Amino acid sequence: QSGLSQPPSASGTPGRSVTISCSGRYSNIGSNSVSWYQQFPGTAPKPLIFGSDQRPSGVPDRFSASKSGTSASLSISGLQSEDEADYYCSAWDDSLNGWVFGGGTKLTVL
Amino acid sequence: QVQLVESGGGLVKAGGSLRLSCAVSGLNFRDYYTRWIRQAPGKGLEWIAFIGSPGLGKTIYYSDSVKGRFTISRDDARKSVFLQLNSLRDDDTAIYYCSTHHSTLPSEDHWGQGTQVTVSS
Repeated sequence: QSGLSQPPSASGTPGRSVTISCSGRYSNIGSNSVSWYQQFPGTAPKPLIFGSDQRPSGVPDRFSASKSGTSASLSISGLQSEDEADYYCSAWDDSLNGWVFGGGTKLTVL
Repeated sequence: QVQLVESGGGLVKAGGSLRLSCAVSGLNFRDYYTRWIRQAPGKGLEWIAFIGSPGLGKTIYYSDSVKGRFTISRDDARKSVFLQLNSLRDDDTAIYYCSTHHSTLPSEDHWGQGTQVTVSS
């Protein structure tokens, strides 16, 4: 099954910003909202963004996201060492009648 | 406080079966749909099964990778969701997470801590 496309890795220095992209199709990102998840090794994914650009309570406003057409992006400003994690995007796919995920982006804070 | 607790994972031989459970508390379960998502060792997240809320007819969907082998069900009185895993293969080895989301309201979803399934050949 087709999934979403994310860069396998990203990096940034403390205090700076980084953006992670997520590319899909009309049937998924183009037609439905995008969610983003943060996952640390050995733990369950944590919802970071829902509805393409909404943050759950408790998620710092350093995390923001947007969607345009068949692409979405997650931006993290004021990078901190504790932001080192894997980040996944996801969306419902109307053609597959199921969710698709990106392959994940491993963020390194240099 | 919303809590999802998965159980039922373990070590099983190829061709065997397991039944996973996900107990949900802290929300009005009947208003929520639930899905199972798995993560193979060192790999990304893969959605595998969905069951809708009673209000939406408990619609069920499966990914192609598990269709015909896995069965999802829910017991609203017990606030639980189940995943019956049959004809298990080596590539079913993964951590299995359940996740629930309100059927109509835009909001974040909730995840459990996962349960490990290991299939040996």
